[in-house]
Amino acid sequence: GNSVTQMEGPVTLSEEAFLTINCTYTATGYPSLFWYVQYPGEGLQLLLKATKADDKGSNKGFEATYRKETTSFHLEKGSVQVSDSAVYFCALSDPTGNQFYFGTGTSLTVIP
Amino acid sequence: NAGVTQTPKFRILKIGQSMTLQCTQDMNHNYMYWYRQDPGMGLKLIYYSVGAGITDKGEVPNGYNVSRSTTEDFPLRLELAAPSQTSVYFCASSYTTRTATSTDTQYFGPGTRLTVL
Repeated sequence: GNSVTQMEGPVTLSEEAFLTINCTYTATGYPSLFWYVQYPGEGLQLLLKATKADDKGSNKGFEATYRKETTSFHLEKGSVQVSDSAVYFCALSDPTGNQFYFGTGTSLTVIP
Repeated sequence: NAGVTQTPKFRILKIGQSMTLQCTQDMNHNYMYWYRQDPGMGLKLIYYSVGAGITDKGEVPNGYNVSRSTTEDFPLRLELAAPSQTSVYFCASSYTTRTATSTDTQYFGPGTRLTVL
């Protein structure tokens, strides 16, 4: 079956620190992979995505590379800001596009 | 362009009561979804719809019903509320084409926080 496992939080970092949030997946076929971000009191917003092996998604300084050999899609940012404080969800969609599977979310707090 | 809107924002129900969570999108998206998010958990798909008149079950459909009479609206019905249905409910939509790989982005509403006592 399909599933997503991401590192548990919460994660607390100082401003300008390097961020990595690990995500691994199990899937049949060739899924697309996503990172969504949820700010307090809001719905999820797409942060970045990748649709095939070795693709790199990037947005707002965040990056993630689709690694088929390790079934991973780790999220990275070189220098975090206070405004990056949010919950981050890794997700995959099955090849039909009908169903999405989300990880449990990782809460990030960035302190000045 | 309001995107995906959900009403109400908050609701408290007693056990056994029923209610409908409303969801509307104005982006002419063909696919719509209902998720629930429990504390410390990821989102679980309840139901989805690939177009008006077509719905299908997700991972956790028990205790819920949906309908899709128009492209814009996708209400979620709870018939006999139970404490296990206390959760935050998110509606989402996407424009999905049937290709070999899915690249479609889901757009989420702000959520409805439901408590069943």
